[in-house]
Amino acid sequence: DQQVKQNSPSLSVQEGRISILNCDYTNSMFDYFLWYKKYPAEGPTFLISISSIKDKNEDGRFTVFLNKSAKHLSLHIVPSQPGDSAVYFCAANPTYNNNDMRFGAGTRLTVKP
Amino acid sequence: DSGVTQTPKHLITATGQRVTLRCSPRSGDLSVYWYQQSLDQGLQFLIQYYNGEERAKGNILERFSAQQFPDLHSELNLSSLELGDSALYFCASSEQAGYGNSPLHFGNGTRLTVT
Repeated sequence: DQQVKQNSPSLSVQEGRISILNCDYTNSMFDYFLWYKKYPAEGPTFLISISSIKDKNEDGRFTVFLNKSAKHLSLHIVPSQPGDSAVYFCAANPTYNNNDMRFGAGTRLTVKP
Repeated sequence: DSGVTQTPKHLITATGQRVTLRCSPRSGDLSVYWYQQSLDQGLQFLIQYYNGEERAKGNILERFSAQQFPDLHSELNLSSLELGDSALYFCASSEQAGYGNSPLHFGNGTRLTVT
């Protein structure tokens, strides 16, 4: 039951350019969305989140956009840096059961110097 | 450093065996969550405890069980192990009982290899 989908397993961008990571969800009850970043041999770390009452949230180089009608969110990283190379997980939390956070399969981002 | 500690980091065992994974949550966090990540898969929610009580169950097999102790550390017990149980097992903690607007803080995981 893939309620959160990250259809691109990998993405490669040049340093200084924009990275755009995409995520789609199917459950209209999701109301809180998060992005986590994971380096090898480490656990996922929280990066940025957005509530369904907003359509954009920005934190430094990271911006998350939410399109509720399309059930789509994206993470923009501008400018991309080699240290951003990691696996990025999209996650969503439904209102009817806020103990049931669903994660996507992840997108491996490689930022080339 | 997330403040969540998982031990051991690596575990290699044979099919049919039983293992115990341990997690100490971040100081002040009452909720502990267990996730499984198989190769190229997302994080699959297994089970959650809040202040010693089971709060939610996900896709946890009957061969698996968990508990949270009075000092809030948690253990995940995996028994009758099969090759398909080989995965990364993550523990996460949060302040609240539900996720709400409180992000999870993950440990570095335990890599289990069943041979």
